Amino acid sequence: KAGVTQTPRYLIKTRGQQVTLSCSPISGHRSVSWYQQTPGQGLQFLFEYFSETQRNKGNFPGRFSGRQFSNSRSEMNVSTLELGDSALYLCASSRKGTGGFDEQYFGPGTRLTVT
Amino acid sequence: GQQVMQIPQYQHVQEGEDFTTYCNSSTTLSNIQWYKQRPGGHPVFLIQLVKSGEVKKQKRLTFQFGEAKKNSSLHITATQTTDVGTYFCAGEGAGNNRKLIWGLGTSLAVNP
Repeated sequence: KAGVTQTPRYLIKTRGQQVTLSCSPISGHRSVSWYQQTPGQGLQFLFEYFSETQRNKGNFPGRFSGRQFSNSRSEMNVSTLELGDSALYLCASSRKGTGGFDEQYFGPGTRLTVT
Repeated sequence: GQQVMQIPQYQHVQEGEDFTTYCNSSTTLSNIQWYKQRPGGHPVFLIQLVKSGEVKKQKRLTFQFGEAKKNSSLHITATQTTDVGTYFCAGEGAGNNRKLIWGLGTSLAVNP
């Protein structure tokens, strides 16, 4: 079974631009979560989608948004990029949709650098 | 808000020594998960603990969930260089507080 895939793997943007990252979950997984990982801050939860609906949201500004499509693929968008947005963005999918979080399967991440 | 504190932040051991990382939550958890992230890699699921006082073992790794379901630990016996990486705990809040809150991780370095 193919794992979680994320595209692109690396991205360089300049301040003020916007960016869209993509995540394809494992086949059959309907829950997709997004995380921002920076040195010293660990994994910061951005949001979780299930059946095209955002179920949970972390404490990030409105510049960070996401969506999920009917095939469970998900995208996240960051508008008006700031230098502090430079990070590894990880997507994780899980099989279980209700009754609590199941094992999270992570993709390789997208390394975003904002200059 | 709910927080999960993980200590220590870094640990440097000689190969063969034991290693333990601890997670403490400010609130009761419904369950806790542990992940390992190798340098340059992504987090990989190790285990999930659900029951109060639960203890699970995976070869040299022993995982515990506290009686009050507010703390957990991961103990590695006789570390090997393959154990190098960052170990994260992630706790899910109880009741309607359905969020997975991550500790900051413990980075383990092992000297051969």
